[in-house]
Amino acid sequence: EAAVTQSPRNKVAVTGGKVTLSCNQTNNHNNMYWYRQDTGHGLRLIHYSYGAGSTEKGDIPDGYKASRPSQENFSLILELATPSQTSVYFCASGGTERLFFGHGTKLSVL
Amino acid sequence: QQKVQQSPESLIVPEGGMASLNCTFSDRNSQYFWWYRQHSGEGPKALMSIFSNGDKKEGRFTAHLNKASLYVSLHIKDSQPSDSALYFCAVSRTNAYKVIFGKGTHLHVLP
Repeated sequence: EAAVTQSPRNKVAVTGGKVTLSCNQTNNHNNMYWYRQDTGHGLRLIHYSYGAGSTEKGDIPDGYKASRPSQENFSLILELATPSQTSVYFCASGGTERLFFGHGTKLSVL
Repeated sequence: QQKVQQSPESLIVPEGGMASLNCTFSDRNSQYFWWYRQHSGEGPKALMSIFSNGDKKEGRFTAHLNKASLYVSLHIKDSQPSDSALYFCAVSRTNAYKVIFGKGTHLHVLP
């Protein structure tokens, strides 16, 4: 089965600090995605990418940046973390079929 | 902006019963429809896809699509306690495009 690895699994950050969430896939998929999951909101798309060097805004990009330096790696960057960004973040990769998700990163911003 | 809405928010069915999950979408250019399932503490996993109008059956699971009505559904026959999970409907225009998820339906199957 396709593998998507997220790090860290858990992160506690301070308000105003910088946070980087990392995602690695070994599936050679072109597309990668970052979602956040909150109770009552389901999975909301933050940023996505069609390949190395590309990033696209999803439905809720404000306060987030993304970086795709290679086919395998896709990072989500919170330059100035806020408590409203406390959530579970999922990375996914996909080719022409289904998406494969990582186990998620639980982020708490205090 | 694509809107994907799911109903009901929560569903309780007895073991062996039928579970019916509904999903509506707003973008008439949508072409690809997936159902994902998420067990507690895990990432979502793809369950099944449907791309053409009509029904598609895979074991105990049947998906139904009506593009003209902007509607897709999932029916689980002979529900098992292991089917208890959060189910998401996911929609995209093409396979190489952004994938939008609904808020999910919590399914509880009681032994």
